Amino acid sequence: DVKVTQSSRYLVKRTGEKVFLECVQDMDHENMFWYRQDPGLGLRLIYFSYDVKMKEKGDIPEGYSVSREKKERFSLILESASTNQTSMYLCASSLYNSYEQYFGPGTRLTVT
Amino acid sequence: AQTVTQSQPEMSVQEAETVTLSCTYDTSESDYYLFWYKQPPSRQMILVIRQEAYKQQNATENRFSVNFQKAAKSFSLKISDSQLGDAAMYFCAYTQGAQKLVFGQGTRLTINP
Repeated sequence: DVKVTQSSRYLVKRTGEKVFLECVQDMDHENMFWYRQDPGLGLRLIYFSYDVKMKEKGDIPEGYSVSREKKERFSLILESASTNQTSMYLCASSLYNSYEQYFGPGTRLTVT
Repeated sequence: AQTVTQSQPEMSVQEAETVTLSCTYDTSESDYYLFWYKQPPSRQMILVIRQEAYKQQNATENRFSVNFQKAAKSFSLKISDSQLGDAAMYFCAYTQGAQKLVFGQGTRLTINP
């Protein structure tokens, strides 16, 4: 079975802190994704990566950056956390030519 | 830009009965994929069913089936013989390329025993 893990289930940070959310997949998937999930808005794509050191902006990249130094790991970075970034963050991965994405359990981030 | 709309924020059904969740989408493309994802309270999102737009036959996976109306851009999910374990958030999603999913707002399904 594909396994996508995220470093934390719950995280509380202060405004202005630099925040790292880590995602690791164990199935040698080329594509990796970061979404944020908010009530009434569904999931919105922040960034995705289709190869090591490659990244593409999604629909809401402002205030975020990403890093993919190894194929299995995709990090989401909040350079200076703000309260409007309080949300659920979901990581996903897929094979290069597959439409099916596999999701991690999510990280609920609270910025105070 | 493609959009996906789920107009039912919440639905409830009696155990063992049938429920239908609605989804509409907007696209100018002719080739695409549609999905229903389930997110149980534990929050791990899992794929329930998928439909290729070029296929006229509606997809079925055990108790889950879809009603795909391409001309109407409608993609509803029917759950038969509802079970307590079906309680979850359900998301409709669209993709035209293999790198980006567009999600609807979600429908929270409650199963009443």
